[in-house]
Amino acid sequence: KAGVTQTPRYLIKTRGQQVTLSCSPISGHRSVSWYQQTPGQGLQFLFEYFSETQRNKGNFPGRFSGRQFSNSRSEMNVSTLELGDSALYLCASSRASTGQGNTIYFGEGSWLTVV
Amino acid sequence: TQLLEQSPQFLSIQEGENLTVYCNSSSVFSSLQWYRQEPGEGPVLLVTVVTGGEVKKLKRLTFQFGDARKDSSLHITAAQPGDTGLYLCAGVGDYKLSFGAGTTVTVRA
Repeated sequence: KAGVTQTPRYLIKTRGQQVTLSCSPISGHRSVSWYQQTPGQGLQFLFEYFSETQRNKGNFPGRFSGRQFSNSRSEMNVSTLELGDSALYLCASSRASTGQGNTIYFGEGSWLTVV
Repeated sequence: TQLLEQSPQFLSIQEGENLTVYCNSSSVFSSLQWYRQEPGEGPVLLVTVVTGGEVKKLKRLTFQFGDARKDSSLHITAAQPGDTGLYLCAGVGDYKLSFGAGTTVTVRA
């Protein structure tokens, strides 16, 4: 079956711009999580959604937002981009929320470079 | 600040050697997961350990969960170049994973 699909895979943005990243979970999965991966901080949790409801939010500024649609697809948005937002943004999906004993599958990520 | 500390940060060994990666936490997690991530890809789940003292084997990989459920180790026997990658431990919490910084393992042929 198709895995977690993230688009775009690579993008370059200028400081001050905004960006929207998209994630299509595995069919039948209702939970989507987002993580930011950088060389300095490693993998940091951004947010988790289940059936369009945000279940948890990480320690990131309000410039980072997300949402989930009725078909379980999810988007995350970063406004007023800063150089430090350059990272690999990973989306993960699972049948139930994290911590419910199910397997979490990660996408290949979206590489964002802010110049 | 990482809740989970992994050591060593880097490990380079010859094919056929054994290696161990450690993951330590100041917090207790209901379960802990190990992932492997290869360049250009997302992390892939290797195992979930749930019970204190649990040992799980996956072919040449052996995973242990400490009795107090605050530490874990990953041991690879007779490492192969295909084992090269970033190994990540993650504590499973409510609606989130907390990752360690990772151990980059390089197995030389």
